[in-house]
Amino acid sequence: GQNIDQPTEMTATEGAIVQINCTYQTSGFNGLFWYQQHAGEAPTFLSYNVLDGLEEKGRFSSFLSRSKGYSYLLLKELQMKDSASYLCAVEETGGFKTIFGAGTRLFVKA
Amino acid sequence: EPEVTQTPSHQVTQMGQEVILRCVPISNHLYFYWYRQILGQKVEFLVSFYNNEISEKSEIFDDQFSVERPDGSNFTLKIRSTKLEDSAMYFCASVTGGLREQYFGPGTRLTVT
Repeated sequence: GQNIDQPTEMTATEGAIVQINCTYQTSGFNGLFWYQQHAGEAPTFLSYNVLDGLEEKGRFSSFLSRSKGYSYLLLKELQMKDSASYLCAVEETGGFKTIFGAGTRLFVKA
Repeated sequence: EPEVTQTPSHQVTQMGQEVILRCVPISNHLYFYWYRQILGQKVEFLVSFYNNEISEKSEIFDDQFSVERPDGSNFTLKIRSTKLEDSAMYFCASVTGGLREQYFGPGTRLTVT
């Protein structure tokens, strides 16, 4: 079966660091995406991990452990505009199907 | 910066009617996707399309759904006989050949009454 789990909501303070975890069990695995989605808008791409390890891109970093079925998104120096839903999504083997988790709503407070 | 566009932004239709949702992917992209998102729920994969044929489809994508690339630029999703539960935001996305970044369009909000 397919199962992607991430926390429903998180709250963090402006300027702080937050880590959003994602665990997955899917029938096949190619890679893992993180997307940001503001309310009423389309998802926007943040990262794609294929290999184990940490990939850093500015204030955002994403980590993958394929053997543990685990990923996290790390957001540093939080800004109010980072308040959004963060979607973990698995690209299945073959690369033509992407399964999304329910998303984590992040609230950044002053 | 190139972007994916979708029309209309909002479509209201009666149950049982046919609707066609339109997307113009980024011009040099080769892979195309449709997703839907029911209000307050997760993004759900519907179908992927490459080289003028369906590559993969989900259980949601039944005989009521079809996709087409009628010309070199448009990519359409047709729902033959809409049901109340088809009410959702429908997103089109496209990808280049080498990179995995999916560019999403702004979506079409479909309301079935």
